[in-house]
Amino acid sequence: EAGVAQSPRYKIIEKRQSVAFWCNPISGHATLYWYQQILGQGPKLLIQFQNNGVVDDSQLPKDRFSAERLKGVDSTLKIQPAKLEDSAVYLCASSPGGQGKGEKLFFGSGTQLSVL
Amino acid sequence: AQSVTQLDSQVPVFEEAPVELRCNYSSSVSVYLFWYVQYPNQGLQLLLKYLSGSTLVESINGFEAEFNKSQTSFHLRKPSVHISDTAEYFCAVSGGSYIPTFGRGTSLIVHP
Repeated sequence: EAGVAQSPRYKIIEKRQSVAFWCNPISGHATLYWYQQILGQGPKLLIQFQNNGVVDDSQLPKDRFSAERLKGVDSTLKIQPAKLEDSAVYLCASSPGGQGKGEKLFFGSGTQLSVL
Repeated sequence: AQSVTQLDSQVPVFEEAPVELRCNYSSSVSVYLFWYVQYPNQGLQLLLKYLSGSTLVESINGFEAEFNKSQTSFHLRKPSVHISDTAEYFCAVSGGSYIPTFGRGTSLIVHP
């Protein structure tokens, strides 16, 4: 079974530039998550999709971050314009959905963003 | 609200020695608890989880964790570590929210 695919693996940009990350979840997984992991901290949820609808985006800085999951499959996370504090690893995860609080999340390898 | 505290940012240990990685949580409702592991250059993967029933849960590679409700802890232990156990370990809790909240992680460094 193919895992969660993310690209690019690394990205270096200057502040005020824009950047986009792509995620393809495990086939058939209804739920997709984007997490931000700053160095020395645990992953923090940015947004959760159930199929192509947003379930939770309460921690997404909506003035600069946007995400979409068209057709309920792959997803794109965009930052525009980027700030220095956006330097982090951006993790995508998916889960089958509908299994409640004990559901296992499957993570991609992440995209490491450096904002200079 | 729910939160997770992993007090140790790094735990160095020699090969074949025992290890304990500590995790404490807070939640106003009943919880589900998880340990995820991240090996170098790989994504996070589930190591073990507690949902209900026996408070001692085990993984396939010899780790175990015990849910202690009175101490609000879910410490991870292994009686004898291997070099290949070197990784970042994350404790997570889901209670009021369906989405797991993660601790900051503990880096386990196994020396030969």
